[in-house]
Amino acid sequence: DTAVSQTPKYLVTQMGNDKSIKCEQNLGHDTMYWYKQDSKKFLKIMFSYNNKELIINETVPNRFSPKSPDKAHLNLHINSLELGDSAVYFCASRVQGLNAEETQYFGPGTRLLVL
Amino acid sequence: AQTVTQSQPEMSVQEAETVTLSCTYDTSESNYYLFWYKQPPSRQMILVIRQEAYKQQNATENRFSVNFQKAAKSFSLKISDSQLGDTAMYFCALENSGGSNYKLTFGKGTLLTVNP
Repeated sequence: DTAVSQTPKYLVTQMGNDKSIKCEQNLGHDTMYWYKQDSKKFLKIMFSYNNKELIINETVPNRFSPKSPDKAHLNLHINSLELGDSAVYFCASRVQGLNAEETQYFGPGTRLLVL
Repeated sequence: AQTVTQSQPEMSVQEAETVTLSCTYDTSESNYYLFWYKQPPSRQMILVIRQEAYKQQNATENRFSVNFQKAAKSFSLKISDSQLGDTAMYFCALENSGGSNYKLTFGKGTLLTVNP
């Protein structure tokens, strides 16, 4: 039933570890996004994929590697986690420009805490 | 580059009263979309209202309405008959249109508290 889902919802890990966050959407959208919300609640885009192709990469450290195995999934893998990576990560999806009424739908967010 | 500015970090209002949240933006695009998102403590991002830049008529959704001034690049949100459940962080956002790289640029948010 859920439109955009993310797993896990919470992730606590040690500095230096590698972790992944998964995102799935069942809306039939062709574009998916990752946004980061920092401790001051500021939301910023990280990546965007359209039909499995990377189209936006907003100067994110290359420790972050998105992967889109198909249109419905966009995963985020983070290597060598740092304290500053602690944040809430939101996945979102959208239809690409076909319908003026479309908008971005957000997942519930994954709260990542790096100790 | 697109920018979105919310000049009110925090606001409060009494239940049943009306409150207006301010937002200004800057973009070089001629066509774009503007949004207000609500983020309650559950942290879910909830779309409140959407406005297409090419439409002159202000969008409304029940108790929520906007005042869209395209020339002034202003997009304020009015909440009428405020309810306790309206307590949340509110984000103004701008999305460019055209091409293949739609992305949302957010303001820093306004924390709204509705008092009983």
